Amino acid sequence: GAGVSQTPSNKVTEKGKYVELRCDPISGHTALYWYRQSLGQGPEFLIYFQGTGAADDSGLPNDRFFAVRPEGSVSTLKIQRTERGDSAVYLCASRLGPDSNEAFFGQGTRLTVV
Amino acid sequence: DQQVKQNSPSLSVQEGRISILNCDYTNSMFDYFLWYKKYPAEGPTFLISISSIKDKNEDGRFTVFLNKSAKHLSLHIVPSQPGDSAVYFCAARLIQGAQKLVFGQGTRLTINP
Repeated sequence: GAGVSQTPSNKVTEKGKYVELRCDPISGHTALYWYRQSLGQGPEFLIYFQGTGAADDSGLPNDRFFAVRPEGSVSTLKIQRTERGDSAVYLCASRLGPDSNEAFFGQGTRLTVV
Repeated sequence: DQQVKQNSPSLSVQEGRISILNCDYTNSMFDYFLWYKKYPAEGPTFLISISSIKDKNEDGRFTVFLNKSAKHLSLHIVPSQPGDSAVYFCAARLIQGAQKLVFGQGTRLTINP
């Protein structure tokens, strides 16, 4: 498809488990963002990739969260030792490049930690 | 600290009338402001944006106004249609670094027939 694709759409996991969330950005988009949206709130920034490198990871809440983008395209957000407070919708967005204004969002992965 | 605020959690408007969604910000280090529309179980969809050097941008039924002195922007939808019912997020883009978006809490707009 032409848009940002995120898998899975929904993920239910037990507290303490490890999860991976995947994002396929729009082809050719060099900038990639992860955001987290809790119920009743707007999306909050987690991490930004320009190409393969994490240019800004200041939004990651703690060291249980990590993200990679090894080939500058697909990105994976990894959460270790999940906690119930990690339950949220995780959104991925991509932008053509530094001079592009519009960011395109995927449909999100709803993570539920039970 | 909430840098971008949408103080109205919900708004109900009659079909055909004007919908006005408001947003306030506190940081002067934003260069672009954007509005996103979100349907349930979907990601936010870009609607319209405005540069910080402009005071108005129009696209069809949608117009965004920016008042820099008041640090306030608004989205006008006219005429409102039932398909406009959704959650609307105001977002501001930071000038430096990652140019990340800072979002408001959202306003749920309901268009009544």
